Amino acid sequence: DIVMTQSPDSLAVSLGERATISCKSSQSILYSSDNKNYLAWYQQKPGQPPKLLIYWASTRESGVPDRFSGSGSGTDFTLTISSLQAEDVAVYYCQQYYTPPLAFGPGTQVDIK
Amino acid sequence: EVQLVESGGGLVQPGGSLRLSCAASGFTFTSYTMTWVRQAPGKGLEWVSMIRGSDGDTYYADSVKGRFTISRDNSKNTLYLQLNSLRAEDTAVYYCAKGVSSYSRTCFDCWGQGTLVTVSS
Repeated sequence: DIVMTQSPDSLAVSLGERATISCKSSQSILYSSDNKNYLAWYQQKPGQPPKLLIYWASTRESGVPDRFSGSGSGTDFTLTISSLQAEDVAVYYCQQYYTPPLAFGPGTQVDIK
Repeated sequence: EVQLVESGGGLVQPGGSLRLSCAASGFTFTSYTMTWVRQAPGKGLEWVSMIRGSDGDTYYADSVKGRFTISRDNSKNTLYLQLNSLRAEDTAVYYCAKGVSSYSRTCFDCWGQGTLVTVSS
């Protein structure tokens, strides 16, 4: 089974500053047949269900602000919030969908410093 | 507008059973893979089970295999999760979510609000 890890567990960033979250998979989630990374990022605010932000590691879901970006390939991935806004306070999860059992990372809490 | 509405949660004793439902609307239900994801109080997301839209194949996390059963009624646009032999560690909010494709290699673009299952004596 593929195991997902994230770092850091939490971070606090000043408004307008950059936030960077790392996600690693225990094996490559790059599918050679289509050259796509089967990695998604979700945002979850308190009391709400998760919201899909990014899929294929770097494709923003419709309606997601462009301050959110994803990068990486193979086993190492990054979610970057280029200019943190107050409404971005949330827990962020990565998820591999390369093969079942699907797996989420443990989450990263992002707060305002 | 896509909507997913879960129901069926509640308080159940260890060893008991529950059936969760997820009523779907706003999209062609048969064309998409559907999943259940749970979240224990104060904890992260745990994928539980998935049913493929393309052929109805099912997948389970090891932690629930043999105890939980996922199914779908395409005539009612409803997803189900039968929970048997419940344990305290199954206590969680259970979310249903819609895949972006009909295959198992899918992420999930729409989520319900969740239904709380509490296993306690």
